[in-house]
Amino acid sequence: QVQLQESGPGLVKASETLSLTCSVSGGSVRGYFWSWIRQPPGKALEWIGYIYYTGSTTYSPSLKSRVTMSVDTSKNQFSLNLASVTAADTAVYYCARDGYLSSVDRWGRGTLVTVTS
Amino acid sequence: YVLTQPPSLSVAPGLTAAITCGGDNIGSKSVHWYQQRPGQAPLLVVFDGSDRPSGIPERVSGSNSGNTATLTISRVEAGDEADYYCQVWDSTNNHRVFGGGTTLTVL
Repeated sequence: QVQLQESGPGLVKASETLSLTCSVSGGSVRGYFWSWIRQPPGKALEWIGYIYYTGSTTYSPSLKSRVTMSVDTSKNQFSLNLASVTAADTAVYYCARDGYLSSVDRWGRGTLVTVTS
Repeated sequence: YVLTQPPSLSVAPGLTAAITCGGDNIGSKSVHWYQQRPGQAPLLVVFDGSDRPSGIPERVSGSNSGNTATLTISRVEAGDEADYYCQVWDSTNNHRVFGGGTTLTVL
């Protein structure tokens, strides 16, 4: 059973860069698209973007100017960088695997990132 | 592309919950549904409108036609209390879109 685990700082200062890594176990990153999705406290899910194991990326139009994703197949990991963060970027960040017909069939447990002033 | 869900729905145990998701010609898209219990990550419960992943009970079903997709939960139980989100892929903008979510309360 594929499992995903997010890691990274829980606090980030405003104007700095949020960096998270997702470690994949029980399966390979090869052959799949991998997404980052976030959820501000008490609000709905928001897709940030995805990366294919080859490194090809697609980002949400609303965030693409600040987002960079990368993948390391040797470590079975993929990563998210979100630049110039503000309080509006405070959220639980989930890493996830894309499934059939653009569903999301595996999710990490999520990690809360708080942007401080 | 915008997906519209009712913010909340309350249902008594044993009855049927129907959670709607509205979108322009959504019937032409593959719609997916997620259950999110408090403090947990979302879980895929229906994909491509009406298919269930392994382990999801048969009392959970989905339909999709015209401008509305519906997630139906029959014989509602206390354990079904959760937030439910619909999702599609917006091929025009190359973008995954989620609905605003519906909180299901079991009375």
